[in-house]
Amino acid sequence: DVKVTQSSRYLVKRTGEKVFLECVQDMDHENMFWYRQDPGLGLRLIYFSYDVKMKEKGDIPEGYSVSREKKERFSLILESASTNQTSMYLCASSSGLAAYLNEQFFGPGTRLTVL
Amino acid sequence: QQQVKQSPQSLIVQKGGISIINCAYENTAFDYFPWYQQFPGKGPALLIAIRPDVSEKKEGRFTISFNKSAKQFSLHIMDSQPGDSATYFCAAYQGGSEKLVFGKGMKLTVNP
Repeated sequence: DVKVTQSSRYLVKRTGEKVFLECVQDMDHENMFWYRQDPGLGLRLIYFSYDVKMKEKGDIPEGYSVSREKKERFSLILESASTNQTSMYLCASSSGLAAYLNEQFFGPGTRLTVL
Repeated sequence: QQQVKQSPQSLIVQKGGISIINCAYENTAFDYFPWYQQFPGKGPALLIAIRPDVSEKKEGRFTISFNKSAKQFSLHIMDSQPGDSATYFCAAYQGGSEKLVFGKGMKLTVNP
């Protein structure tokens, strides 16, 4: 079974803090994604990576950065957390092979609260 | 600009009823349409998917209907069960991109 794990289920931070969210997948997938999920807004893509050290902006990259130093690990960084970044953050991974129909496998999510 | 529009936002049905979720898209380059199911406290998981070269795909109680000319697709859940209570997302994928475009989701509640 594909497993995508996220470092924390719940996180509470203060405004202005630097926040790291970690994601690890164990299926040797090429692609990894960070989404945020908010009520009424669905899943919005923040950043994704299609290879080690490669990244592309998604729909809402402002206020976020990412790092992918190893194939299995994808980190989301909030340089200076703000209250409007309070949200559920979901990590996902997918194989780069068309035969797998690009199914994305999601982690359980990290609920981040910024006070 | 919302590329995949999903409706309704929420739905309540009785056990044994039919649940229908509709999605519409504009980009004719989309060529793969998955549905994801998300239970409370969990990440979304792929439920069923369809390519535009077929008009319908059925897996158990779940059926996707696809209307290419209308650029619409829908998920039908037959004999809905309380265990189907979840949030459902439709999505679309464009070949050549690694990204999925998601609808805003629909919360389904099936009452016993």
